[in-house]
Amino acid sequence: AQTVTQSQPEMSVQEAETVTLSCTYDTSENNYYLFWYKQPPSRQMILVIRQEAYKQQNATENRFSVNFQKAAKSFSLKISDSQLGDTAMYFCAFMKQGGANSKLTFGKGITLSVRP
Amino acid sequence: DTGVSQNPRHKITKRGQNVTFRCDPISEHNRLYWYRQTLGQGPEFLTYFQNEAQLEKSRLLSDRFSAERPKGSFSTLEIQRTEQGDSAMYLCASSLAGVSNQPQHFGDGTRLSIL
Repeated sequence: AQTVTQSQPEMSVQEAETVTLSCTYDTSENNYYLFWYKQPPSRQMILVIRQEAYKQQNATENRFSVNFQKAAKSFSLKISDSQLGDTAMYFCAFMKQGGANSKLTFGKGITLSVRP
Repeated sequence: DTGVSQNPRHKITKRGQNVTFRCDPISEHNRLYWYRQTLGQGPEFLTYFQNEAQLEKSRLLSDRFSAERPKGSFSTLEIQRTEQGDSAMYLCASSLAGVSNQPQHFGDGTRLSIL
């Protein structure tokens, strides 16, 4: 079974600054995907960024980038130039590659507050 | 693409009553998932369909829970004889099988409160 750990329950960052959210995971699988999802207060969960485990290059999406360390089973999210709209809960998630079921295994999440 | 739609948004009911939630996935998506999210926690997998076939159920899904996806379109999740511990947000997600790295798209969820 896979586990995803997000040990920081809350973080706060000043607008326009950079913040890094941590995530570690445990799996015996070699091929998998990792995701960061954002859940704004009372709003829909949306995908922020995804990483294929077989790719060494870290994924980037505009202001969002990841630091994927496969050997260390670490997958952190860096948000640059933080904006007020980035205030949300952020979930790290794992998905096994292949097989019949592509269910997501989530961490507990981290609440990020962006201060004006 | 109208997104994943869930109804109702909120449901308040007394303990012991039955409740049913509905999820309409993105039209071309053939995979549909149900998750449960309690306050301060990440979503936990409940069950999943590919087309109309229910392919996996979590141990979290007790025999009071049943899910269906007739004709491989919308899905319903029914909880019988509700208990206080069933209070949670129930999330539905859909994706397209056969396309690698296809992300799951989530609905707004149904928040269930048991009195």
